[in-house]
Amino acid sequence: DTGVSQNPRHKITKRGQNVTFRCDPISEHNRLYWYRQTLGQGPEFLTYFQNEAQLEKSRLLSDRFSAERPKGSFSTLEIQRTEQGDSAMYLCASSLGRINTEAFFGQGTRLTVV
Amino acid sequence: AQRVTQPEKLLSVFKGAPVELKCNYSYSGSPELFWYVQYSRQRLQLLLRHISRESIKGFTADLNKGETSFHLKKPFAQEEDSAMYYCALSPSSTGANSKLTFGKGITLSVRP
Repeated sequence: DTGVSQNPRHKITKRGQNVTFRCDPISEHNRLYWYRQTLGQGPEFLTYFQNEAQLEKSRLLSDRFSAERPKGSFSTLEIQRTEQGDSAMYLCASSLGRINTEAFFGQGTRLTVV
Repeated sequence: AQRVTQPEKLLSVFKGAPVELKCNYSYSGSPELFWYVQYSRQRLQLLLRHISRESIKGFTADLNKGETSFHLKKPFAQEEDSAMYYCALSPSSTGANSKLTFGKGITLSVRP
């Protein structure tokens, strides 16, 4: 599968612990996005990168959340001091970032905070 | 701010029946509209986009700027169309910013 890859697929953590997710985009894609999806809702935008630069962050991204894309390839999303409300599916997508380009999604990381 | 509204959560039809999945949006500029589909245990994938004016798997969607709608239609539903469908909006028709705003989605169930 040469699509967007996310790891781990599932993560169960205790409240207060830190978690980190990884996203490997399609290799030639320079744009990378993170979304969060809770039950009964559509995906909600969190942040996006153009190469290694983080260009926009949603207000949903509290100071407990941090995302990086250090070499403009893979990205990590870290949540510090997890809360039960952080339980969700975290989706990564990538695109070429040119005119009329499609965003391709990964299969997501499902986080459960207990 | 942009918003996408999908007023129904579930649509259940018999095979061969017509399907219309509703989507309304609010955005002050010129948006690009999409329909994404998620089949069971698969990742979210693009079904179609208004700018392409294509018919994909028999589905079509027309952007109506006057009614700010982008309804998805298919004249004869098939069982394999059963899935979750999301309408989404991107703020720029040039695609320079592909950040998407999604609706809540609708489950389409096609019965034999």
